[in-house]
Amino acid sequence: GAVVSQHPSRVICKSGTSVKIECRSLDFQATTMFWYRQFPKQSLMLMATSNEGSKATYEQGVEKDKFLINHASLTLSTLTVTSAHPEDSSFYICSARVLGSEKLFFGSGTQLSVL
Amino acid sequence: DQQVKQNSPSLSVQEGRISILNCDYTNSMFDYFLWYKKYPAEGPTFLISISSIKDKNEDGRFTVFLNKSAKHLSLHIVPSQPGDSAVYFCAASYGAGKSTFGDGTTLTVKP
Repeated sequence: GAVVSQHPSRVICKSGTSVKIECRSLDFQATTMFWYRQFPKQSLMLMATSNEGSKATYEQGVEKDKFLINHASLTLSTLTVTSAHPEDSSFYICSARVLGSEKLFFGSGTQLSVL
Repeated sequence: DQQVKQNSPSLSVQEGRISILNCDYTNSMFDYFLWYKKYPAEGPTFLISISSIKDKNEDGRFTVFLNKSAKHLSLHIVPSQPGDSAVYFCAASYGAGKSTFGDGTTLTVKP
């Protein structure tokens, strides 16, 4: 099956710093990738849809200036949490859809802890 | 308005028995339904799916049933194994659009 690689798996940072999370499709091209956030014991909350070569589409309530998404190539999307604060601490997950399929292939997630 | 609901946050079954996880949806436009399995601190993995033109899809120990008139689907796992213990998410989509996820059901299979 398709493989999506997400890095880093865990990051601890100080309040006010920025953190970049990478999501790569290893064996397929992903024109669309999705970014989610999951709080403990809660569902996956879709943050934004990342489109290759164009601006990301953000869900209502998600600050686009805080969560910067770049999808510069067909295999790479990045999420940058700018000026992170403790309330941004969460588990962030990316996913990609293979063209012609409804299935989503997920990265392994990034646990962000902001001190 | 939550369009995909998993009303049972948790389910506990004995090894070897059947596990039935339920999911309800409200949007009649949904035409594709998927189940994902998630372990702690990992990303979800695809388990099984069903198109709205079908009412049943089977893959090994996993079977998904779709009742369109009731806007309800269920995942059956038979026989349940301790390794099946995880959070199961139901998801629905239409066209090539984004998937909408339920809140998940934590399944515990006891040896």
